Amino acid sequence: GAGVSQTPSNKVTEKGKYVELRCDPISGHTALYWYRQSLGQGPEFLIYFQGTGAADDSGLPNDRFFAVRPEGSVSTLKIQRTERGDSAMYLCASSLTAGALETQYFGPGTRLLVL
Amino acid sequence: GESVGLHLPTLSVQEGDNSIINCAYSNSASDYFIWYKQESGKGPQFIIDIRSNMDKRQGQRVTVLLNKTVKHLSLQIAATQPGDSAVYFCAENISGTYKYIFGTGTRLKVLA
Repeated sequence: GAGVSQTPSNKVTEKGKYVELRCDPISGHTALYWYRQSLGQGPEFLIYFQGTGAADDSGLPNDRFFAVRPEGSVSTLKIQRTERGDSAMYLCASSLTAGALETQYFGPGTRLLVL
Repeated sequence: GESVGLHLPTLSVQEGDNSIINCAYSNSASDYFIWYKQESGKGPQFIIDIRSNMDKRQGQRVTVLLNKTVKHLSLQIAATQPGDSAVYFCAENISGTYKYIFGTGTRLKVLA
């Protein structure tokens, strides 16, 4: 079946602009995760959804970052007043259910460049 | 596209040889581990997993070894192929949580 998809694959924006990154999880997966990956680093956790609710947003770096998942499927990561330091690969993953021992399957990522 | 991990440790192996990629994990409470493969410009791809009640698990051409005493994980790739060239990450799952912590990653280069 189809895997996790993310759009756009690349996004170039100017400092101070607003961006939205979209994630379509694997059909039937109730848990969804956002990660950020900087060059040369492993993915770092941002936020986790179980269904429609954000169960843990402790990884969001500040209040410019926000994510929603209104119908428990597609999720959007929103970044306000972008800064050059926000440039990174943003990865989405989903798992069948939430909790321990659940494999997370990743999408191809959105590479964000803030000029 | 831009490469993942320009400053990562690199392992270079000859095509057809076996590769061993190592990972030291951080939390003694971690009880589930995954190896991911990440090609340039793509998201991490699941390769193989292992639970803490095991010390070895084999897949197709890959074997994962877990040493809980020294908190060490390794990925062995048999008969390495050019398509194996990528960055490899280990990820540990903290017991009882959904959280994964990723290691720094190792770049595998397969020489023809």
